[in-house]
Amino acid sequence: QSALTQPRSVSGSPGQSVTISCTGTSSDVGGYNIVSWYQQHPGKAPKLMIFDVTKRPSGVPDRFSGSKSGNTASLTISGLQAADEADYYCCSYAGNYKYVAFGGGTKLTVL
Amino acid sequence: QVQLQQSGPGLVKPSQTLSLTCAISGDIVSSDSAAWNWIRQSPSRGLEWLGRTYYRSKWFTDYAQPVKSRITISSDISKNQFALQLNSVTPEDTAVYYCARDFATVTSGIYYYYFYMDVWGQGTTVTVSS
Repeated sequence: QSALTQPRSVSGSPGQSVTISCTGTSSDVGGYNIVSWYQQHPGKAPKLMIFDVTKRPSGVPDRFSGSKSGNTASLTISGLQAADEADYYCCSYAGNYKYVAFGGGTKLTVL
Repeated sequence: QVQLQQSGPGLVKPSQTLSLTCAISGDIVSSDSAAWNWIRQSPSRGLEWLGRTYYRSKWFTDYAQPVKSRITISSDISKNQFALQLNSVTPEDTAVYYCARDFATVTSGIYYYYFYMDVWGQGTTVTVSS
């Protein structure tokens, strides 16, 4: 069982927006502004999409945005495209003992 | 462009040692702006961070608690690579194993490694079976 809770699946039509939630505790998501999000296509390695809760690495479209409120972080994808169909994982720093926590992943389907 | 190339066997017998290597190009293993991680992924456990190594005047390693007694992550400056050894494996260790670079964020001149893994290896499927 993963430390961070994500919905198993979300879906949306091309052009729409979807939001994926990631719920942790005050020991991880709520305790630090150190949340990242990864996109993973089948058979591929994860790709960093968001870091520091809201920042995008170079090359990631601004259709991807991150936010956090309390113990829950969120990834919003606007203007959905077919290529966005993938699994998405959240990740949070979890302190000097546990180090890092991952979410269980959310499958995004573009209808 | 930084690339990570993994190598190692895809089949390991129970109770033996799993050994994987990650060769780095476009960066150096002793860089103070990166940490070098091993992560695995399986359907039953999802993404699981195993450990990391990084160099700040000397080498440091951090290991995940569940594998701490069985894991060693080492580095080889001459070959610009780092390696994973996981001892006493069981079928529960069957997974896709990834190496990944975690880039440092700098605050007030201090480097922090927050598991922002921007470069990944291609993944190695490791099956533990007799």
